[in-house]
Amino acid sequence: SAVISQKPSRDICQRGTSLTIQCQVDSQVTMMFWYRQQPGQSLTLIATANQGSEATYESGFVIDKFPISRPNLTFSTLTVSNMSPEDSSIYLCSVDSGSREAFFGQGTRLTVV
Amino acid sequence: KQEVTQIPAALSVPEGENLVLNCSFTDSAIYNLQWFRQDPGKGLTSLLLIQSSQREQTSGRLNASLDKSSGRSTLYIAASQPGDSATYLCAVSWGGGSEKLVFGKGTKLTVNP
Repeated sequence: SAVISQKPSRDICQRGTSLTIQCQVDSQVTMMFWYRQQPGQSLTLIATANQGSEATYESGFVIDKFPISRPNLTFSTLTVSNMSPEDSSIYLCSVDSGSREAFFGQGTRLTVV
Repeated sequence: KQEVTQIPAALSVPEGENLVLNCSFTDSAIYNLQWFRQDPGKGLTSLLLIQSSQREQTSGRLNASLDKSSGRSTLYIAASQPGDSATYLCAVSWGGGSEKLVFGKGTKLTVNP
């Protein structure tokens, strides 16, 4: 299994500002994934982050709005830029530990006011 | 389009009851299927992973089955307890590894003492 630490666990932000979410894994992993869970909805994949290359974004998500960094094999950040109330969601980091089982962090609950 | 559906959306049962949660998916050519538990405002806890070549997996009071031909999986919870109250999510991967998990909307389970 993999242990994933996400920071911050929650935040309340003003519209128009940006928030960077950190994800730290206790082992080296090839791919890290960022998901969004809007209120009352299930999880939707935002992007896949491989170390040393540009993140791959899913349809409906763009790099200008959700820039991602992946500086090494144990760490990634997701920035939510120019926030609006519609960005209020839980953002979750996930990894594939290599056993083909997905593990998730505890999530970041973001409220934009 | 690859989609995952979970029925029912919510379920309330008395303590001690055995129960079944359902998950259906389009496109039977899955790679694997994973059941998760999510407590309110929290991240996801992996419960069971079923590879496409497997028919079922068991962990304690939990048993998950997979029928690819009919596009269905069930999560069986034996002797339910109030601590089992949570939202249960089914997620399917159609690609190699666990990238791009497609999630159902979940079943919110309440076990009443």
